[in-house]
Amino acid sequence: GENVEQHPSTLSVQEGDSAVIKCTYSDSASNYFPWYKQELGKGPQLIIDIRSNVGEKKDQRIAVTLNKTAKHFSLHITETQPEDSAVYFCAAPAGNKLTFGGGTRVLVKP
Amino acid sequence: GAVVSQHPSWVICKSGTSVKIECRSLDFQATTMFWYRQFPKQSLMLMATSNEGSKATYEQGVEKDKFLINHASLTLSTLTVTSAHPEDSSFYICSARDPQESSYEQYFGPGTRLTVT
Repeated sequence: GENVEQHPSTLSVQEGDSAVIKCTYSDSASNYFPWYKQELGKGPQLIIDIRSNVGEKKDQRIAVTLNKTAKHFSLHITETQPEDSAVYFCAAPAGNKLTFGGGTRVLVKP
Repeated sequence: GAVVSQHPSWVICKSGTSVKIECRSLDFQATTMFWYRQFPKQSLMLMATSNEGSKATYEQGVEKDKFLINHASLTLSTLTVTSAHPEDSSFYICSARDPQESSYEQYFGPGTRLTVT
């Protein structure tokens, strides 16, 4: 089955700086990689995803890059703001299910 | 985007009682829904896959007789925690897949916090 590892587990950044979270996966056949943001007491929200036919995707201040050869993908948040503070999860498909990384707790300090 | 709701958002029950949690897809028909459990500061753990009109598929280690799942319609799946105990206290989250979209995309509900006293 798919194995997803996520680093770092916690990340503290100054407001305005960039944040980068990296995930590695094990199944080379995986072709869909979503990122979710979870605020305290709420369900995860899909913020961006990427499919294996592209190497990078951007949506305003967030971007995801994919390196299929190395089997890793990363979330980049630029110009961080206090409202970016949350837990972020990456995921990769395993059959018709998703396998989640362990999560990264991001704290943006004003 | 697709919207998934859960009810209740939080519930407190006494040990030994049963609790039912509802998951609804509001603007699409979901043939497949998923139930997750999340303990504090941990990742999401898939409990089972709920398929409309058929039996749920449980992950290894999840007791199907304790966590009853019913997916009787294309917009509603229910999770019943039977004979709840304090160790069942957790955050339960459902997700649904829109068959009109990618086979992998899942939309999550807001979660239900269960506290068993």
